[in-house]
Amino acid sequence: QVQLQESGPGLVKPSETLSLSCAVSGYAMSSGYYWGWIRQSPEKGLEWIGSIYHSGGSYYNPSLESRVSLSVDTSKNQFSLKLRSVTAADTAVYYCARHWPNRSRFDTWGQGTLATVSS
Amino acid sequence: DIQMTQSPSSLSASLGDRVTITCRASQSITDYLNWYQQKPGKAPNLLIHSASTLQSGVPSRFSGSGSGTDFNLTISSLQPEDFAVYYCQQSDRTPFNFGPGTRVDIK
Repeated sequence: QVQLQESGPGLVKPSETLSLSCAVSGYAMSSGYYWGWIRQSPEKGLEWIGSIYHSGGSYYNPSLESRVSLSVDTSKNQFSLKLRSVTAADTAVYYCARHWPNRSRFDTWGQGTLATVSS
Repeated sequence: DIQMTQSPSSLSASLGDRVTITCRASQSITDYLNWYQQKPGKAPNLLIHSASTLQSGVPSRFSGSGSGTDFNLTISSLQPEDFAVYYCQQSDRTPFNFGPGTRVDIK
């Protein structure tokens, strides 16, 4: 059974970079699928951030594309998110999820991690 | 971008009730529509994909219908574990936007 677990600092200062990782267990990422990040805040609801293929190809939400980068490390079976120049508006629960490219559905999610932007 | 709306934003229902939630897309997405259930403090859980295909392990009391711009999620007989927030998500093109959610609570 596939499981995902987010990790990273819960508090980030304004203008700095938010870095999160997602460890995947029960499935070898090198076997396929896309892997995505979604965030949730009371103000914006659920917002897709971007997705990355196991080989490294990625695509992003245009609203965040200038500040986001995703990477994958199949040797560690994990993928990562970096969000630059954060503001209070980036405060949210961040989820990682397995992204089926066929019909672009997110079928398995991590438990989520709260990232707060504050000085 | 394709914008998603849902109605109602919340509803109160009793155990055993039949409940229908509506999702509308700002332009046609054929059947590229997914539904999720979210309980407090938990991640969303995929219920239905491709507008009407039940995800493995999801009870058959959940069903989805629609195409184009208008979609429905129906719970045929509401159970205690169904009180939650339900979201639709379009998967026709990026960005993969979600609806604002419909909260189902106990009457």
